Amino acid sequence: DVKVTQSSRYLVKRTGEKVFLECVQDMDHENMFWYRQDPGLGLRLIYFSYDVKMKEKGDIPEGYSVSREKKERFSLILESASTNQTSMYLCASSLYPGQGAREQYFGPGTRLTVT
Amino acid sequence: DAKTTQPTSMDCAEGRAANLPCNHSTISGNEYVYWYRQIHSQGPQYIIHGLKNNETNEMASLIITEDRKSSTLILPHATLRDTAVYYCIVRASGNTGKLIFGQGTTLQVKP
Repeated sequence: DVKVTQSSRYLVKRTGEKVFLECVQDMDHENMFWYRQDPGLGLRLIYFSYDVKMKEKGDIPEGYSVSREKKERFSLILESASTNQTSMYLCASSLYPGQGAREQYFGPGTRLTVT
Repeated sequence: DAKTTQPTSMDCAEGRAANLPCNHSTISGNEYVYWYRQIHSQGPQYIIHGLKNNETNEMASLIITEDRKSSTLILPHATLRDTAVYYCIVRASGNTGKLIFGQGTTLQVKP
């Protein structure tokens, strides 16, 4: 079974703090993704990575950065946390699609509250 | 990626089959139909996907109409643990990017 783990289930941070969210997958997947989920807005893609040290912006990258130094690990960084970044953050991974369909496997999520 | 339409909510009796419909009338020839579900406060869980043939795995069956404009996810013997939001997503092969989750169908399995 694919396993995607996230460093924390719940996190409370203060405005202006630097926040690191870690994600690790154990299936040697090339692709990794960070989404945030908010009521009424669904899941929105923040960043994704298709290889080590490679990254692509998603729909809402502002205020976030990412790091992928190793294939199994993808980190989301909030450089200076703000209250509008209070959300559920979800990490996912998948094989590189190529010409086929590739399902994404999600972690349990991190509920971040910025006060 | 094509747009999908699902009912907002459905009920199902425990032990009965749950049939969740999805319309995707603008689907293109290279687009797959995926189903995910999200149990409250957890990350989405992949269920099944298909291109044009019906598919079955240990969790569910996926029935795709011949014209591919709609599909049905079938949970053959629903349990209380199947209560979740179910998302139908259409996405092209070779797409390295996002999944577009709509509002999904909230399935309530009742004893």
